[in-house]
Amino acid sequence: QSVLTQPPSASGTPGQRVTISCSGSSSNIGSNAVNWYQQLPGTAPKPLIYNNNQRPSGVPDRFSGSKSGTSASLAISGLQSEDEADYYCAAWDDSLNGWVFGGGTKLTVL
Amino acid sequence: QVQLQESGPGLVKPSQTLSLTCTVSGGSISSDSYYWTWIRQPAGKGLEWIGRIYTSGSTRYNPSLKSRVTISVNMSKNQFSLKLNSVTAADTAVYYCATNYDVLTGFRNWGQGILVTVSS
Repeated sequence: QSVLTQPPSASGTPGQRVTISCSGSSSNIGSNAVNWYQQLPGTAPKPLIYNNNQRPSGVPDRFSGSKSGTSASLAISGLQSEDEADYYCAAWDDSLNGWVFGGGTKLTVL
Repeated sequence: QVQLQESGPGLVKPSQTLSLTCTVSGGSISSDSYYWTWIRQPAGKGLEWIGRIYTSGSTRYNPSLKSRVTISVNMSKNQFSLKLNSVTAADTAVYYCATNYDVLTGFRNWGQGILVTVSS
C-alpha cells in the first residue's frame, strides 16, 4: 500500500493529452514538492519533473506538472508511442521523515 | 554528471544479509553535497525508499526497514553500501542507488539497478 495514490493505469491515442493524478496528505504533498519519474520497461526511473513543475534539461515541454493542496498531476500533451511507460510520483514526508512514492501508473498509448 | 553502478551478489539465502555496493564516478562522495540513497522495486511493483547517507555520515532510514538496514560510506573507494539483514523472499527486488540533493529536486541520478533474489 503506497503512501501516495495514483491510478494504476491510463491510456490515450497518439496526439492526445493525458493526465495522471497523485494524491497524498498534508505531511507529504501538502507541505513538500512533488517529483515525477518515467520508467521504461527494464530500465531505471528517469527524472521527469521536479519541484512540482520544473523539467530537467532534455525533457520535452510536452511534459508538465502541477500541484494543488495535497494532490499533484502530470500532464502529457501530444502523446507519442515512446511515452508508453510507468510513471511515479514522489515527495518527502515530514511525518515519516522519509521519501514516499506513488504506486505507479502504467500509461498505454493505443 | 554523476554516474552510479550497483554491484553485489544476485542471490541471497533467507535469514542472511544482503550486501550491495554503489560505485560513484564523475563525482566525489566526500565533497559533493548529495544524500546517497538506496531505493528498491519488487518485480511488477512500485518504488520503495530504503534510506540515505549524507557526506557527513548521517543516515536516515525507512521506518519499515530501519531495524534491519545499515548504509555506510567508503570515501577512499568513492562508494557507499547497503546492508539488509534477516532477509526473506519479500526482500527480492531490483535495488537502485541514487543521488538526492534536496527535497525539491528529488532523485537526479540513478544506477542501472541490480536484481537481488532471496531464495534457498
